[in-house]
Amino acid sequence: AQSVSQHNHHVILSEAASLELGCNYSYGGTVNLFWYVQYPGQHLQLLLKYFSGDPLVKGIKGFEAEFIKSKFSFNLRKPSVQWSDTAEYFCAVINGNQGGKLIFGQGTELSVKP
Amino acid sequence: DAGVIQSPRHEVTEMGQEVTLRCKPISGHNSLFWYRQTMMRGLELLIYFNNNVPIDDSGMPEDRFSAKMPNASFSTLKIQPSEPRDSAVYFCASSPSSGGTQYFGPGTRLTVL
Repeated sequence: AQSVSQHNHHVILSEAASLELGCNYSYGGTVNLFWYVQYPGQHLQLLLKYFSGDPLVKGIKGFEAEFIKSKFSFNLRKPSVQWSDTAEYFCAVINGNQGGKLIFGQGTELSVKP
Repeated sequence: DAGVIQSPRHEVTEMGQEVTLRCKPISGHNSLFWYRQTMMRGLELLIYFNNNVPIDDSGMPEDRFSAKMPNASFSTLKIQPSEPRDSAVYFCASSPSSGGTQYFGPGTRLTVL
């Protein structure tokens, strides 16, 4: 079965530190890739997405992600985090053969210390 | 745009009672999704619809769960009878197309006592 794996369950950083959250998926065909963010007590919001084209995609709030097809990875990065980035981050994948079925990773909780 | 609307936002009920969760997708979106989020299992897709037709309900946990989409602007998720293990946050999401970006509603936090 398809799966999405996020390497870190909980990441703790100080403000201004750089962030990289890992995401790997198991499907080998055409995929659409997403990162969502869930702030405490809120719903999921889209950070960025990759469908095709430039594998380096930029999202909101200074986040970016790089799709590396050979590594089945879609890691999320931000050069300098802020306290307001404290949230849970979810990587998600739709594969081309399963219509709209979005498969989520288990999530990474990011805590940024002021 | 108002975004995806869900009601109620919070529901507390007793075991054995029927629970109905409601969702209004973004106007013009053709696909609608129901998810459940728990600490133990994370985010799980329960069922999704394309053009009001259920496409994949393999994530529905058991027969106590049912979902309907009578028209393009409304969907319900029903649990009958409810059990304490159904306690979770239930999200509805909609998308312009089945493989596109999904936009999530605020969720319904369900507590079954």
